[in-house]
Amino acid sequence: AQTVTQSQPEMSVQEAETVTLSCTYDTSENNYYLFWYKQPPSRQMILVIRQEAYKQQNATENRFSVNFQKAAKSFSLKISDSQLGDTAMYFCAFILPGSTLGRLYFGRGTQLTVWP
Amino acid sequence: DSGVTQTPKHLITATGQRVTLRCSPRSGDLSVYWYQQSLDQGLQFLIQYYNGEERAKGNILERFSAQQFPDLHSELNLSSLELGDSALYFCASSVGRGLAGGPQNEQFFGPGTRLTVL
Repeated sequence: AQTVTQSQPEMSVQEAETVTLSCTYDTSENNYYLFWYKQPPSRQMILVIRQEAYKQQNATENRFSVNFQKAAKSFSLKISDSQLGDTAMYFCAFILPGSTLGRLYFGRGTQLTVWP
Repeated sequence: DSGVTQTPKHLITATGQRVTLRCSPRSGDLSVYWYQQSLDQGLQFLIQYYNGEERAKGNILERFSAQQFPDLHSELNLSSLELGDSALYFCASSVGRGLAGGPQNEQFFGPGTRLTVL
């Protein structure tokens, strides 16, 4: 079975600080893609960052970066210089190409609160 | 704004009733995905359509059905509604069939339809 675990239901960080959200996943497949999605209070799902499993280099998007440890099946998200607008629920997810044709497997989410 | 539209935004109905949720994908996107977000189950994949054809099925109940029309919009039909069907239903779209996680298969989510069953 494909599973995604986010062990931190809630986290908080002060504005301008750095925070890391954890994610582990389980799959027997070797080729897959990992994502972090953000869901602000508006409930819109927004893609934050993407990582291809075959790439060793960690993905970076502005203030967002990941630490991808394939052997450990770990995919954490680091947010630098946190901003109030980063307050949201963050979901870790992955896709297996091929037979499951693009369905996203989601974790249960981490609620991040950024305070002034 | 992702370019994916969903109607209605909110829906309140009674147990046993039937409702239809509508999704219009981004212009040019051929795949439509439906997801259910509930407190109990989190985000669950329901079903995917590509260019009018069903491509993948997830945890979709038999009481639920979907289709994608020639103009590529999609509808999710929920019947014999139960209290536990109360959830946020998302539609997402992508250009590709979803065979990989590359940019052509990035899923863009609509704002969701909040369904409340009383």
